Amino acid sequence: DVKVTQSSRYLVKRTGEKVFLECVQDMDHENMFWYRQDPGLGLRLIYFSYDVKMKEKGDIPEGYSVSREKKERFSLILESASTNQTSMYLCASRGTDGNPEAFFGQGTRLTVV
Amino acid sequence: SQQGEEDPQALSIQEGENATMNCSYKTSINNLQWYRQNSGRGLVHLILIRSNEREKHSGRLRVTLDTSKKSSSLLITASRAADTASYFCATPNGGGSQGNLIFGKGTKLSVKP
Repeated sequence: DVKVTQSSRYLVKRTGEKVFLECVQDMDHENMFWYRQDPGLGLRLIYFSYDVKMKEKGDIPEGYSVSREKKERFSLILESASTNQTSMYLCASRGTDGNPEAFFGQGTRLTVV
Repeated sequence: SQQGEEDPQALSIQEGENATMNCSYKTSINNLQWYRQNSGRGLVHLILIRSNEREKHSGRLRVTLDTSKKSSSLLITASRAADTASYFCATPNGGGSQGNLIFGKGTKLSVKP
């Protein structure tokens, strides 16, 4: 069974903390993504990566960075967490061309206090 | 950047009725996908329709695609309480299979027993 696993379902962090959200996929996918989901705004793309060490900014990259040192792992980093980063974070992966379907992790509900 | 927009935003029906959700998009695409999200969870892929297809079926799901109108619809027949979820359409950014998917804001479906 294919899997995308996010390291935490729920996280509570303090303002100013550096926060790491980890995502691992076991499907050998080239593409990996981080979205955030907020009520009324749908899914918004933060960053994506199409290969190891490669990254592209999405629609809302400010306040975030990413790391992809290995093909199976894509990390989202909040350099200095703020309350407006309280949200649901979703990681996804997908292959190329013949397999455009995306697979999602279970989501991380992050609260910044 | 919002590509797909679902309509309606919310839909409430009785068990056994059919549910129809619509999606409109802006640019040319080579495929369109529908996803489902149970409350507080990640998204799950339901069905993909390619630009050279007009209609596709999967169990109780029927998807249509009208590329001239840049629209798609998802029909769930004989709905069940377990179909209660949010439904999203997604299209490839730039129209191709590479890169990220752009999601609409979703239709929240409630099926009452």
